[in-house]
Amino acid sequence: KAGVTQTPRYLIKTRGQQVTLSCSPISGHRSVSWYQQTPGQGLQFLFEYFSETQRNKGNFPGRFSGRQFSNSRSEMNVSTLELGDSALYLCASSANAPGIQETQYFGPGTRLLVL
Amino acid sequence: GESVGLHLPTLSVQEGDNSIINCAYSNSASDYFIWYKQESGKGPQFIIDIRSNMDKRQGQRVTVLLNKTVKHLSLQIAATQPGDSAVYFCAEKGAGTALIFGKGTTLSVSS
Repeated sequence: KAGVTQTPRYLIKTRGQQVTLSCSPISGHRSVSWYQQTPGQGLQFLFEYFSETQRNKGNFPGRFSGRQFSNSRSEMNVSTLELGDSALYLCASSANAPGIQETQYFGPGTRLLVL
Repeated sequence: GESVGLHLPTLSVQEGDNSIINCAYSNSASDYFIWYKQESGKGPQFIIDIRSNMDKRQGQRVTVLLNKTVKHLSLQIAATQPGDSAVYFCAEKGAGTALIFGKGTTLSVSS
């Protein structure tokens, strides 16, 4: 079974631009979560989606948004990019609904550099 | 607030030694814990998990111990190999499926 895939793998943007990242979960997985990883803050939860609905959101500004499609694929968008948004953005999928202890499997991440 | 941390940022061992990576968590209500391994340029890779109704769980060359009394989690790696060199994170299940990660311990294995 193929793992979680994320595209693109690397991205360079300038301040003020917006960016859209894509995540395809493991086949059959319905829950997708997004995390931001930086050297200073470590891995931080952004949001999670299940059945096209955002079920949980971390402590990030409204510039960070996401959505999930009927095939469980998910996208996250960051508008008005800031230098501090440079990070590795990770997507994780799990098989079942939120609130159930399901293992999350991570993709390779998208490395975003904001200049 | 909720937080999960690791005691040591780095750990250096010799090939063949047993490694122990520690983690302290603060939310006594957490009921699910996971260890991940992250190699350079890759996403976190699931190693092993444990639920709060257990105090020990074994996998292939790995054992996770959970001490709820002192809110401590540890990962033991037997016969550590160079391929085990990576950053190890413990994570705690928060609200919904949100994982709360510790800062990570870098394990370096020398041969």
